[in-house]
Amino acid sequence: SQTIHQWPATLVQPVGSPLSLECTVEGTSNPNLYWYRQAAGRGLQLLFYSVGIGQISSEVPQNLSASRPQDRQFILSSKKLLLSDSGFYLCAWSQGAEGYTFGSGTRLTVV
Amino acid sequence: AQSVTQLDSQVPVFEEAPVELRCNYSSSVSVYLFWYVQYPNQGLQLLLKYLSGSTLVKGINGFEAEFNKSQTSFHLRKPSVHISDTAEYFCAVSRSNDYKLSFGAGTTVTVRA
Repeated sequence: SQTIHQWPATLVQPVGSPLSLECTVEGTSNPNLYWYRQAAGRGLQLLFYSVGIGQISSEVPQNLSASRPQDRQFILSSKKLLLSDSGFYLCAWSQGAEGYTFGSGTRLTVV
Repeated sequence: AQSVTQLDSQVPVFEEAPVELRCNYSSSVSVYLFWYVQYPNQGLQLLLKYLSGSTLVKGINGFEAEFNKSQTSFHLRKPSVHISDTAEYFCAVSRSNDYKLSFGAGTTVTVRA
């Protein structure tokens, strides 16, 4: 069966520090991968998606970047965090129209 | 591009009472429709989905939803809620040609004894 792992679960980082969040998927090949952000009291905003290794599409301009170095690995990064980067980050994967499967999320607090 | 509107941001309800969460969407192409539930500090869990066929869709935990193409709606219902149904619920839509999900702002359901 397919599983998705996302870590860390919580993270507190100072403003200006770098960020690296990792997501890996098991039990499937060539999945579509996604990073979403959920700000407090708001819905989910699609940040990046990838349909293959090295293929990254950005949905909104921001202080973050994403990379897909391997088929089932998706990384969210920042060189210098801003206060506005705080939120709950969710990784997800999909294949076709069956819907997405989400990871358990990372709570990022920038202080 | 598609958009999703969840008409209620907060829904308080008593235990064993029915609940309906409203969702409307707009899209210029065919869509697939989903409802997800999120418990505090957790990821999203799929409740149910409409891809094609019968417009009444049954999901997990006793939830069901009805797709109404003419009204572009996909309302979620449960005839009798439990305390454990307290959570945030998200309606989502994907285009049939690219599968990117767009979410509504969410509805917080609080079930009281």
